[in-house]
Amino acid sequence: KAGVTQTPRYLIKTRGQQVTLSCSPISGHRSVSWYQQTPGQGLQFLFEYFSETQRNKGNFPGRFSGRQFSNSRSEMNVSTLELGDSALYLCASKRWATSGAYNEQFFGPGTRLTVL
Amino acid sequence: TQLLEQSPQFLSIQEGENLTVYCNSSSVFSSLQWYRQEPGEGPVLLVTVVTGGEVKKLKRLTFQFGDARKDSSLHITAAQTGDTGLYLCAGAHYPRGGSNYKLTFGKGTLLTVNP
Repeated sequence: KAGVTQTPRYLIKTRGQQVTLSCSPISGHRSVSWYQQTPGQGLQFLFEYFSETQRNKGNFPGRFSGRQFSNSRSEMNVSTLELGDSALYLCASKRWATSGAYNEQFFGPGTRLTVL
Repeated sequence: TQLLEQSPQFLSIQEGENLTVYCNSSSVFSSLQWYRQEPGEGPVLLVTVVTGGEVKKLKRLTFQFGDARKDSSLHITAAQTGDTGLYLCAGAHYPRGGSNYKLTFGKGTLLTVNP
């Protein structure tokens, strides 16, 4: 079956602009998580959505937001871009796990965002 | 805040050599995962360890979860050039008020295997 897809793969923006990234999960996966990966900080969790509701949230400013649609596709938005927002943004999907259970998470190839 | 420290940060070896990378934390995790990431791609899950003291083998890769579920190691025997990549460990925990687990990642070990 098809993997997690992310669009666009590459994006160049300037400071102050906003950007929207898109993620389509694996069919049947209803949980979508977003991560930011930078050389200095590594892979950091942004947020997780399930059933169109944010379920978990990382420690990022309010400029970072997301949403999920009824078909489980998700978008992430960053407003008022800063130079430090340059990173690889990864989306991951999994089946929703009840408390104590664990389901494998699959990552997409990422969107490389460069802020000039 | 739960943190995972990976060491070494960089490792460059010759094909055929053995190596071990480490993942350490002061926190207890429900499970721990190892991923490998290649340039321009997302991380790919290699293994999940759940039980303290658990050892899992995946061909030439051996993964171990510490007895206290705070640390883990990845040992590669007879490394090949195809093993080159960024190896990430990630600990799973259930945040207060959350109904699903959350992953905390280490910063990774960048392994280069030279021919």
